[in-house]
Amino acid sequence: EAGVAQSPRYKIIEKRQSVAFWCNPISGHATLYWYQQILGQGPKLLIQFQNNGVVDDSQLPKDRFSAERLKGVDSTLKIQPAKLEDSAVYLCASSLGQTKVGKLFFGSGTQLSVL
Amino acid sequence: AQKITQTQPGMFVQEKEAVTLDCTYDTSDPSYGLFWYKQPSSGEMIFLIYQGSYDQQNATEGRYSLNFQKARKSANLVISASQLGDSAMYFCAMRPQGAGYALNFGKGTSLLVTP
Repeated sequence: EAGVAQSPRYKIIEKRQSVAFWCNPISGHATLYWYQQILGQGPKLLIQFQNNGVVDDSQLPKDRFSAERLKGVDSTLKIQPAKLEDSAVYLCASSLGQTKVGKLFFGSGTQLSVL
Repeated sequence: AQKITQTQPGMFVQEKEAVTLDCTYDTSDPSYGLFWYKQPSSGEMIFLIYQGSYDQQNATEGRYSLNFQKARKSANLVISASQLGDSAMYFCAMRPQGAGYALNFGKGTSLLVTP
């Protein structure tokens, strides 16, 4: 079974530039999550989708971050314009969403450096 | 609101010894799930073990066991017979029981297994 796919693996940009990350969840997983992990900290939820609808985006900095999940499958997270403090690993995860445990399966992440 | 606390930034253990990683939590939800994830240097989050708040027995998965003390609100991870490949970051996480909830993570504990 294929895992959660993310690209790119690494990205280096200058502040005020824009950047986009892509995620393809495990087939059949209705729930998709984007987490931000700053160095030395645990992952923090940015946005959660159920199919193609947003369940929780309360911690998404909406003035610069946006995300979409077209057709309830792939998802894209965008930052425009980037700030220095956006340097982090961006993790995508998916889950079946309807099981008792509902564990999350994570991709390898995109490491973003903003210079 | 849920809060996860991991007070050990770093831990050392000798190969073949057992180690306990601490996790305490706070929640007002009557029913919840507790998770442990491993994050090696490659960056991917790997699910280790799950404990439901109403599960009668402590969870075990191979060399991993969860020492769940509900009254003390603690969910410590015990790794028996440590191996060099266990060196990684370990994150405790929780969410309300039921479908569609995201995980809230602690700050993590770095474990180094020495020969």
